[in-house]
Amino acid sequence: DAGVTQSPTHLIKTRGQQVTLRCSPKSGHDTVSWYQQALGQGPQFIFQYYEEEERQRGNFPDRFSGHQFPNYSSELNVNALLLGDSALYLCASSLYGGPNEQFFGPGTRLTVL
Amino acid sequence: GESVGLHLPTLSVQEGDNSIINCAYSNSASDYFIWYKQESGKGPQFIIDIRSNMDKRQGQRVTVLLNKTVKHLSLQIAATQPGDSAVYFCAGLSNSGYALNFGKGTSLLVTP
Repeated sequence: DAGVTQSPTHLIKTRGQQVTLRCSPKSGHDTVSWYQQALGQGPQFIFQYYEEEERQRGNFPDRFSGHQFPNYSSELNVNALLLGDSALYLCASSLYGGPNEQFFGPGTRLTVL
Repeated sequence: GESVGLHLPTLSVQEGDNSIINCAYSNSASDYFIWYKQESGKGPQFIIDIRSNMDKRQGQRVTVLLNKTVKHLSLQIAATQPGDSAVYFCAGLSNSGYALNFGKGTSLLVTP
């Protein structure tokens, strides 16, 4: 049973560029949430996708956008990258997205220079 | 809004001792909490969860206690092992039921 997978593992970009991160949920899960984790901090909720729609959004600017595909996989897009966007980006999957366990992937380490 | 935080940033214990990691929350409407373990370079790993209609829940070597009166929960790890060294986060479910709110974490160091 495959867990949550994310790609790429590491990514280096420069300010102003755009980046796309990918996530495949745990087998059987239909909901994907994205979190940003700065160094030494807890993960911060970006948004959640369910039935291919953004169901809830955290306190992040519109530069952060996402998409969910019919197979439940998801992408996180960040435009006009800032130095402060450097972080570990985590994807978590769950069933129905309600008060149930959220299983996390290994994350994508994004460095913005 | 919800605020979830931990009492201590670091905790050092000897191998074989029991560990207790504490967490306080501010939103009494939160009704679901999860403890995660995060090792260096990895994503958070689910340890145990508890719902607000429970006071205690036990897993393998771990116990979570929830005190709704003082809005406090704790994670107890029995017979701590070197492999338990990691950062531990408590996370509460927001009122919407979708977004987990994390604290900053407690770094547990197990010494031989």
